[in-house]
Amino acid sequence: GAVVSQHPSRVICKSGTSVKIECRSLDFQATTMFWYRQFPKQSLMLMATSNEGSKATYEQGVEKDKFLINHASLTLSTLTVTSAHPEDSSFYICSAYSGGTTDTQYFGPGTRLTVL
Amino acid sequence: AQTVTQSQPEMSVQEAETVTLSCTYDTSENNYYLFWYKQPPSRQMILVIRQEAYKQQNATENRFSVNFQKAAKSFSLKISDSQLGDTAMYFCAFIGTSGTYKYIFGTGTRLKVLA
Repeated sequence: GAVVSQHPSRVICKSGTSVKIECRSLDFQATTMFWYRQFPKQSLMLMATSNEGSKATYEQGVEKDKFLINHASLTLSTLTVTSAHPEDSSFYICSAYSGGTTDTQYFGPGTRLTVL
Repeated sequence: AQTVTQSQPEMSVQEAETVTLSCTYDTSENNYYLFWYKQPPSRQMILVIRQEAYKQQNATENRFSVNFQKAAKSFSLKISDSQLGDTAMYFCAFIGTSGTYKYIFGTGTRLKVLA
């Protein structure tokens, strides 16, 4: 149980275009989902916290107009990188939290974004 | 502010040997959760083990066990009978019970198991 999927796993786009990444909890309802960014050989950097039906909470320094997050249902959150530029190239990971007492986040397999 | 420190950027261990990865943290909370996650070359984050701060007994999962020292704010991971598949980045993570559900991650330890 507790499987989280991400789509696409890899995307290459041209500078100036927008890219949408989907994060789905496959076998549980996720009250909260998180979006992280990871640079090579570094730890995960939290970008934003997403609660179903409400606006995402962004971490300091993360541009909310650049990284649009929508958590439309209890099993789906999307991250849209708008007007992508080469510096947005990175590995993006989502995680999902089901609530209750476990406090455990389950992670998706990640999406590698390359902006040319 | 809560912090998590992993002081060993890289470690190596011979196959079948035992290795211990260190993690210390700082918090003013009394109840919280600690985790070790593994990130192999595939980059999928995999939960290795979880410890609840109010439990005195150290968590174990097969070859993985922790040494949780609450007073010292230390949470080390012991891997016994190391296998080649254990080669990965290992991240220590902390979450308080204040309701934000945000993980605080350490900087990671890159473990290489040698044949």
